[in-house]
Amino acid sequence: DAGVIQSPRHEVTEMGQEVTLRCKLISGHNSLFWYRQTMMRGLELLIYFNNNVPIDDSGMPEDRFSAKMPNASFSTLKIQPSEPRDSAVYFCASSLGTGGPTEAFFGQGTRLTVV
Amino acid sequence: AQSVAQPEDQVNVAEGNPLTVKCTYSVSGNPYLFWYVQYPNRGLQFLLKYITGDNLVKGSYGFEAEFNKSQTSFHLKKPSALVSDSALYFCAVSELNTDKLIFGTGTRLQVFP
Repeated sequence: DAGVIQSPRHEVTEMGQEVTLRCKLISGHNSLFWYRQTMMRGLELLIYFNNNVPIDDSGMPEDRFSAKMPNASFSTLKIQPSEPRDSAVYFCASSLGTGGPTEAFFGQGTRLTVV
Repeated sequence: AQSVAQPEDQVNVAEGNPLTVKCTYSVSGNPYLFWYVQYPNRGLQFLLKYITGDNLVKGSYGFEAEFNKSQTSFHLKKPSALVSDSALYFCAVSELNTDKLIFGTGTRLQVFP
C-alpha cells in the first residue's frame, strides 16, 4: 500500500477563495483524522470519522470548515471562504478503527498559504 | 479527559550519547501511549506504543520507551544518539474506547556531531 495520500502538497490561494484538500486512506482502514499544525498551536485534531461517519468535529474552527467522506477510502476538507489565519500544514491520518487503541498513519501533509 | 505533557520544548544531545525525551500522562483507566517522530516537511511517523505488558517497549530506529505507572511517565530513550535522529517528537495518548489520539506539544531533539 502506498500509505495515506494527500493532495495537493502545496496550495497558495487568495483570501476569500475556496480551498479543497484531499485525502486517500490506507486500504482497510476505517478511521480518518484531519489535523492542523501551526507553530503557535501545535498539532490540533479538527475532525475524526469512523466508518464514514463524523464522530467528533469539536476541533473544527468554525463554519467555514467542512469535511466529508463520500466513500470509505476518500475524504475532503474544505475551507470556504479562506482567510490568512487558516495558513498551516494540514495532515490526514488513518487507522484500523476497530474500536481500540491503534496507531494512526499520516500523510505527507498539505501546506496551505492564504494571502 | 486524557492528556499528555511534554515538559521540554527542546532537547540537545551530543552524537553517541544517550538521549531521553520526556512525556507524562493523565488518563482515566488504562493508559494507551504512543510516540511519533516528524522529520522536516514530512508527516508524523509511528515509533512505538504501549498497550499492556512489559514496561519497556522497543520501537523503530533503535528507540525504546519506558512506561512508569507510579510516575505516570512514558519517556522515550535511545542508548546512542545519531545526528539523523534530529527531529520533532510527539507523545500521544489514545482516548478511551476509540482510536482517537491526543498529542502533546512536541519536543524538538537536536543531536550535535
